[in-house]
Order: sequence, then C-alpha cells, then structure tokens
Amino acid sequence: KNEVEQSPQNLTAQEGEFITINCSYSVGISALHWLQQHPGGGIVSLFMLSSGKKKHGRLIATINIQEKHSSLHITASHPRDSAVYICAVQGDGGSNYKLTFGKGTLLTVNP
Amino acid sequence: DTGVSQDPRHKITKRGQNVTFRCDPISEHNRLYWYRQTLGQGPEFLTYFQNEAQLEKSRLLSDRFSAERPKGSFSTLEIQRTEQGDSAMYLCASSLGENTGELFFGEGSRLTVL
Repeated sequence: KNEVEQSPQNLTAQEGEFITINCSYSVGISALHWLQQHPGGGIVSLFMLSSGKKKHGRLIATINIQEKHSSLHITASHPRDSAVYICAVQGDGGSNYKLTFGKGTLLTVNP
Repeated sequence: DTGVSQDPRHKITKRGQNVTFRCDPISEHNRLYWYRQTLGQGPEFLTYFQNEAQLEKSRLLSDRFSAERPKGSFSTLEIQRTEQGDSAMYLCASSLGENTGELFFGEGSRLTVL
C-alpha cells in the first residue's frame, strides 16, 4: 500500500462545477503539499499546510491531521484548471526534508 | 524571473552513454532536491542537498547515478552507462530555510534512452 493515496485517479467535470480531490496518508507528517502539473510542464506548488484550511482564489485546501486526510477543492472550475493535481506529504522528525508523492489526479474540465 | 532552471529540457541518448543534467536553483535557496518521475506516476525522491552537503541519497539511485552541488549553488545529476529503464523526467526543486518550505520546481529534464 502506498503511503500516499489520492482519489479519484481521473476526474472529468463541466465548467463551473465544484471539484474535490482527496488525499489520504499513512505516515506521520510535518506538512502536506498540493501541487499542480500541466502536461509536459513543470510542477507548481499550490499549498503547503500542516493544519486547518487555506484558500487561494478559487482553490481551497483542508487537512485533518487526526484522520490523516486532506482535500483540495476547486470552486467554479474552468478548462484552464485541467492538470494533474499531486498530493505530497513531508516527513516529520529527521526526515522533514523528504516528500512522498501520491500518483496524482488527472482533472479534465470541459467547456 | 529567476526561478529554478534545468538544462537540457530534453535528452535522447543511446544505451550505455553517459548523460549529465544541470539544475540552477533560486539563488538564495539552501535546499535542493532531485526527483524522478515516470509516466503516470508521482515523482520519486532521488537525493537532497543542504547547501553543498548531500544529506541523503535514495536507494533508487544505483551507483551509476551521482549528484553534486559543489559550491552550494547549481547541482548536476550524472547518469553513467544509461539503461532504457532510466528513461524518465528528472525534476529539480529548491526551497529555503531550516525546514522544507514551499518547493519551487524546475520544468524538468526528460531523458529518453534508446
């Protein structure tokens, strides 16, 4: 079993829909990152969080440390949101520099 | 914009050849990471530098792989005697501070071994 599991693996939505991507992890962490990767492109950091909730524009990320679960929400989705969204957890203690990545969720938003 | 830059962006080589990738992190960033990503998978940790010190190297890296960060600035990742299984995207990222803060990734170097 992977240390970081994302669901769904693939998600297709219509423009304007509310999107939720989930991430569950099984190890102790110091922080969780949500990242965005466009096809053939580099990776952009969206959020880094260790508790609660963060919001940036139409994106919201939440984390529940007790349940070892995080969600990424996109409100009023747009075709330009189409990308792979990757959850990554940052180790704790002496491994706090190391990220373990999920396999990603491929989001396609149709106009 | 002085983000993380990687060179070359694409490299096609024949099996058995050596290849070297370069990463220039954001100038004040003390932490530098190399990851490898294959199609349909998330990135996998390869190695990590804090300044010029290589603090960890993944067991994914065979002895054909070596990475350096000689002056704590740019880094190189060399693969000797390449194999087809080395074909992947090699990603570099950097961050600032005592703990891993926000990561800034380069565009990646895609390696194809024929």
